[in-house]
Amino acid sequence: SQTIHQWPATLVQPVGSPLSLECTVEGTSNPNLYWYRQAAGRGLQLLFYSVGIGQISSEVPQNLSASRPQDRQFILSSKKLLLSDSGFYLCAWSGPYRDRCTFGSGTRLTVV
Amino acid sequence: QQQVKQSPQSLIVQKGGISIINCAYENTAFDYFPWYQQFPGKGPALLIAIRPDVSEKKEGRFTISFNKSAKQFSLHIMDSQPGDSATYFCAALYSGGGADGLTFGKGTHLIIQP
Repeated sequence: SQTIHQWPATLVQPVGSPLSLECTVEGTSNPNLYWYRQAAGRGLQLLFYSVGIGQISSEVPQNLSASRPQDRQFILSSKKLLLSDSGFYLCAWSGPYRDRCTFGSGTRLTVV
Repeated sequence: QQQVKQSPQSLIVQKGGISIINCAYENTAFDYFPWYQQFPGKGPALLIAIRPDVSEKKEGRFTISFNKSAKQFSLHIMDSQPGDSATYFCAALYSGGGADGLTFGKGTHLIIQP
């Protein structure tokens, strides 16, 4: 069966520090991968998606970037965090038809 | 532009009652409408989904009603239980489009009172 792993679960980082969140998927090949951010009262905002290694599409211009160095690995990064980057970050994967999107357990990021 | 509008923002229902959450969409190209359930500190989990070729789908106590002409769909939770207390998100997808992901509503915080 397919599983998705996301870490760390919580992270407290100072303003201006770098960020790296990692997500891996097991039990499937060539998944579509997604990074979402969830802010209170604002639902789930799609940040990045990827259909293959090295292929990244950005939905929202921001202080963040994403990379997909391997087929089942998706990384969310920032060179310098802002206070506004605080939130709950969720990685997700789907098959080629993009339905049945499965989410990871999320990372609670607090920028102080 | 908010393509999926969800209401209410919060909902309190007595145990055993019916919980109803509504969503409306704008893009007529959407052809897949899932509902996700999220418990605090966890990622959302797919609960039930429908495609526009049917008007209703039922799985246990959970039912989706879909009105294509009105561009609306709703989640009904029958015999609501305290364990159903969670945040619920509706979403929509155009599966024939690019590779982008689901478009989500802003969520409904549901509380079932015992």
